[in-house]
Amino acid sequence: DARVTQTPRHKVTEMGQEVTMRCQPILGHNTVFWYRQTMMQGLELLAYFRNRAPLDDSGMPKDRFSAEMPDATLATLKIQPSEPRDSAVYFCASGLGSHRFDSGNTIYFGEGSWLTVV
Amino acid sequence: GQSLEQPSEVTAVEGAIVQMNCTYQTSGFYGLSWYQQHDGGAPTFLSYNALDGLEETGRFSSFLSRSDSYGYLLLQELQMKDSASYFCAVRGPGKLIFGQGTELSVKP
Repeated sequence: DARVTQTPRHKVTEMGQEVTMRCQPILGHNTVFWYRQTMMQGLELLAYFRNRAPLDDSGMPKDRFSAEMPDATLATLKIQPSEPRDSAVYFCASGLGSHRFDSGNTIYFGEGSWLTVV
Repeated sequence: GQSLEQPSEVTAVEGAIVQMNCTYQTSGFYGLSWYQQHDGGAPTFLSYNALDGLEETGRFSSFLSRSDSYGYLLLQELQMKDSASYFCAVRGPGKLIFGQGTELSVKP
């Protein structure tokens, strides 16, 4: 049963600490997304990768957030230093995409990493 | 840029039919997707419309009018388990941008 795997599932940390969230996309998927969900903002696209290359990270606060794909089976989202306003659920999703991303039509979400910064 | 509008909440009774609307503004539009999310869970794919018209999958149907920048999700024979948030999402070049979602409450 192919699925997107995210770790940690839950994280409580103190303001100022570094947080790293990890994602294992579905094997064979070439596109990986990071979304953040809060009650106020809904699902926001932070960044996405195609074939491990970052295509768009305009939704991500650059001063403290960074996203990478060290290899095809691992995507990471790092926050340093973390702040209380970063408290949210962070979802990773993967899919199959072409340069127009109109093939497949479906992206698959992981269960999310629930982050609380106190 | 891209923006989507959905009603924030809808209430319906078990067995009824409910329609959830979505209007959008975007450049580079490729299609409209719908996702369902239960409390505490991950969004899951329901349907996708690239062309005008109605797509039906069991109790779920989705409609798109590209000229009106409008779509809707129709749920028939509502069940209690359909209580969830429903998001429309616009497919643009390489991206999937989500609306704020409609929270559906199904009452007995």
